[in-house]
This record gives sequence, C-alpha cells and structure tokens, in this order.
Amino acid sequence: GAGVSQSPRYKVAKRGQDVALRCDPISGHVSLFWYQQALGQGPEFLTYFQNEAQLDKSGLPSDRFFAERPEGSVSTLKIQRTQQEDSAVYLCASSPAGTLTTGEQFFGPGTRLTVL
Amino acid sequence: DQQVKQNSPSLSVQEGRISILNCDYTNSMFDYFLWYKKYPAEGPTFLISISSIKDKNEDGRFTVFLNKSAKHLSLHIVPSQPGDSAVYFCAAKSQAGTALIFGKGTTLSVSS
Repeated sequence: GAGVSQSPRYKVAKRGQDVALRCDPISGHVSLFWYQQALGQGPEFLTYFQNEAQLDKSGLPSDRFFAERPEGSVSTLKIQRTQQEDSAVYLCASSPAGTLTTGEQFFGPGTRLTVL
Repeated sequence: DQQVKQNSPSLSVQEGRISILNCDYTNSMFDYFLWYKKYPAEGPTFLISISSIKDKNEDGRFTVFLNKSAKHLSLHIVPSQPGDSAVYFCAAKSQAGTALIFGKGTTLSVSS
C-alpha cells in the first residue's frame, strides 16, 4: 500500500539492549513525526523532522533516545540501554507540505516495544 | 498537566442512534482540533478537524462542534454503525507548534 509503514511491528528487548525502529513515510511527505503511546494513554510527541532536518526534539524523554532521517525519507528511532519504562507503542506519522498548519498527519501501525 | 482531556473512557451506543464524544482543553493557543479513530493493532486514522475560528464542521455522518468559551469540543456520529466501534482520540495543535497533543481516548462500542 501507499501508507506509512513501520518495522518491526513487535520488538522484545532485554533491559539494557539497544533497539532501532524504522519508519517509511508516504512518498513525498516532507514532515515526519515520532510519537510514543503508553498503555491506556494517547500518543505523546517525541520529535519532528522537516525533510532531513530535525526541527523539534523537545519530546524525547532522555538522551538515550535518538532519531535520524538522513536522506529526508526513511527515519530511524534508536533507543539505547532500554529500560522497562520504554515499553510502549512507537508511532510514526508523516504529512505533506501544506498540512502542517492544519495538523493532519498520517500514522503508521506502530511498533510495540516490550522491555523485559 | 493534561492540555487535552477526554473524561469518558468508554461509551456504548445502539446502532442507528447518535454517538457524542466529548473533549476539553486548557490551552487557548490551540488553533486546530482533530479527531482520530483507532482500530486495534492499527495506527490512528484522521477523521475530521475544525479550525479555532469556526464552531462547526460537518463531513457525512460526522460533525464536530467547538465551544471556545467553554474550551470544549464534541464529535457527533449520526447514525452510529457497528463499524464505528473503535477508540477515538481528540487532538489539538497550537499556533506556534507542529506536534499534535492527544487526549487519552474514548472507546466507542456500537451494538447492533
């Protein structure tokens, strides 16, 4: 399909391991967002890219979280030394130029991370 | 402190009746409000939005009402259908920002 895809869909990590989560946005979408959704909560903003530039990373909870989008398309969210509180669904969203003002974003299915 | 609140965790409605989902917010700098629908194991899907300069927006069976003085919005679904059963998230965007701020969601169950 032509939607946002994320991989892996499920990831189990032992506490202390590093993980990398991938997001393939809709082709041509300049804006890309990462959100974290804990159980029973709404998605919470982590970081925002416009093309390859990371313009806002104010939502990243600690310096263990790192995101990149080197060529302005695919993005990777990396979590170092995972902890149990990192267990959540990580959602990626993209949007085309022109919808940044109205807020409409297209979400992927998410990666469910479980840290044991 | 939560800026977007959905105080009803769940709502049950019969098929054909109206579903009303409510949302309250605290930040007067929000300029757009959006409703997303989420099925299990899928990402949220955009449903309908409203600008802060309007008080109503309608799209088919879905209507969103905005009451700025009360900092309250609601989503009306008429008539409700079993396929509408999902989690509904209210979200808002501030004038100066790009990120969406979400409520905790309301689970809607429509029975046939």
